[in-house]
Amino acid sequence: GESVGLHLPTLSVQEGDNSIINCAYSNSASDYFIWYKQESGKGPQFIIDIRSNMDKRQGQRVTVLLNKTVKHLSLQIAATQPGDSAVYFCADTGGGTASKLTFGTGTRLQVTL
Amino acid sequence: DTGVSQDPRHKITKRGQNVTFRCDPISEHNRLYWYRQTLGQGPEFLTYFQNEAQLEKSRLLSDRFSAERPKGSFSTLEIQRTEQGDSAMYLCASSNPRVDEQYFGPGTRLTVT
Repeated sequence: GESVGLHLPTLSVQEGDNSIINCAYSNSASDYFIWYKQESGKGPQFIIDIRSNMDKRQGQRVTVLLNKTVKHLSLQIAATQPGDSAVYFCADTGGGTASKLTFGTGTRLQVTL
Repeated sequence: DTGVSQDPRHKITKRGQNVTFRCDPISEHNRLYWYRQTLGQGPEFLTYFQNEAQLEKSRLLSDRFSAERPKGSFSTLEIQRTEQGDSAMYLCASSNPRVDEQYFGPGTRLTVT
């Protein structure tokens, strides 16, 4: 079936560097995408979202880019900090109303000092 | 704290026993979702309520699983005759119909021995 997936299971970056986490989706009807951060033992924490009528959206230190042509989105974290260490998931609603989210398996971000 | 709350946070039970989890959504959110997450994987959708109506159920929700939201506020998820394969983190999320963002609770970690 169609799914949301991630390219890299683990990403290691130095403190202060920028991080880029990638995600590919296969459902061409997907029109809403969310990035979540999950720390160990906690529930997913909403970071940023984007709709398919946008290519880019910025938040505080985070930017999400959406390329509908190749069905790819990315999460950029500027000046990565130790507190950014977590597993990051992209998810989408598959083109319907936000009745359910389909998650990928996640990318673990490790920030080294 | 006015976020989504779940109780208990941890549950250890023996195979064959019944367990029940509770979720209290953010007060103005009328949509409530249940997800299951196993180690190293992203959350998987189980079911979704709008007010007290259960509008969608995943095929993952076998007949041993039942969810209720009788008054459109808190929700319960019951698993009957638990199996070792039911061991997972059970996550609850809620959302406001005017926006699509789903906010997650801390989860209930179930261990079936």
